[in-house]
Amino acid sequence: DAGVIQSPRHEVTEMGQEVTLRCKPISGHNSLFWYRQTMMRGLELLIYFNNNVPIDDSGMPEDRFSAKMPNASFSTLKIQPSEPRDSAVYFCASSLGGLWTVSNQPQHFGDGTRLSIL
Amino acid sequence: RKEVEQDPGPFNVPEGATVAFNCTYSNSASQSFFWYRQDCRKEPKLLMSVYSSGNEDGRFTAQLNRASQYISLLIRDSKLSDSATYLCVVTYTGGFKTIFGAGTRLFVKA
Repeated sequence: DAGVIQSPRHEVTEMGQEVTLRCKPISGHNSLFWYRQTMMRGLELLIYFNNNVPIDDSGMPEDRFSAKMPNASFSTLKIQPSEPRDSAVYFCASSLGGLWTVSNQPQHFGDGTRLSIL
Repeated sequence: RKEVEQDPGPFNVPEGATVAFNCTYSNSASQSFFWYRQDCRKEPKLLMSVYSSGNEDGRFTAQLNRASQYISLLIRDSKLSDSATYLCVVTYTGGFKTIFGAGTRLFVKA
């Protein structure tokens, strides 16, 4: 079975450029999460979608970050303009489960995108 | 205080040793609990869910103590391949609020 698919695997770009990260969740999963991981801050939840609707974006660091989920099989995380402090590994994860149900379903992670902003 | 706190690492143990990790959480509304494993430069992967009655999967045993608000992970007969970072995960109602602990690094040496 295909897992969560992220692209690109690596991205190196210059400060000020727009960066777009892509994610395809596991088919049938209705929850999607974007995380950022750094040595200093660990794994941070940026935004969560349920049934393609953004539910909680309180973890998005600032207005330069935006995320969309136009359909159940695709999501993007965009950074514009990018800054060196955005350098991190960005993970997408998906799971079953909804807002109003107790969820004991774990999240499944993609391989991540290693982002370096020069 | 962080919502989910784990034992500081790293743990350095010889092969065959038994090692235990603890994780405390602050919100009593927590619903689901998991242990994830993350290898260097890889994504986190589910190791096991943690059930109220405790559960075992081979050499791994997970326990939950709701009264004291902590979960634990016990690894018996450690293998070199167990070397990784172990992340404690707590999920709240509906599964949409998920908090990962900072992780505990384990090194198993020959």
